[in-house]
Amino acid sequence: EVQLVESGGGLVQPGGSLRLSCAASGFTFITYAMNWVRQAPGQGLEWVSHINIGSSKLYYADSVRGRFTISRDNAKNSLYLQMNNLRVEDTAVYYCARALYRSGRHYIDQWGQGTLVTVSS
Amino acid sequence: DIQMTQSPSSLSASVGDRVTITCRASQDISNYLGWYQQKPGKVPKLLIYAASTLQSGVPSRFSGSGSGTDFTLTISSLQPEDVATYYCQKYNSDPFTFGPGTKVDIK
Repeated sequence: EVQLVESGGGLVQPGGSLRLSCAASGFTFITYAMNWVRQAPGQGLEWVSHINIGSSKLYYADSVRGRFTISRDNAKNSLYLQMNNLRVEDTAVYYCARALYRSGRHYIDQWGQGTLVTVSS
Repeated sequence: DIQMTQSPSSLSASVGDRVTITCRASQDISNYLGWYQQKPGKVPKLLIYAASTLQSGVPSRFSGSGSGTDFTLTISSLQPEDVATYYCQKYNSDPFTFGPGTKVDIK
């Protein structure tokens, strides 16, 4: 069974930093690209970042570029999101999401349960 | 960047009704579109990928169509368990933008 378990969320002050982790199991992690997707309270889904298998292709939403860094450790079956200079508007549930490769592109096929990040003074 | 829109933003229909949700991309994305269902308080779930391919385990009352810029998600016979918000997402290229969502409930 595919499992994606996020951790590292919590309350942080504006301007602060937080590092999210996602522990993957039940599949061959090294063969999948990964994403972070967030959802602010009562709002829709917002794609945040994508990393390919070898960490050579990193993509970010404009709203987080320059502040967030995605990374992965294939030896540890883990995905990370380093979030710096956090803003109130970054408050959201952050989902770790697996991306399946088909016909030359990746689409999200599995989601974790999410971890809540609250940015507030 | 390519913008994704959905219509309607919400709808209310009766059990057994045929429901259609539209997703539009501001530029051609071929068939690189997925549809996701998010039930209240739950994690999103993949329904359809490549615009029209049903994900394994998803009921056959769900179907998708379209290519290029215009896409539809159809529920052929709405069931009470289909109450949810439905999102489309483009994945042809970065940024992998989601549509704003369509909330579906039972009349």
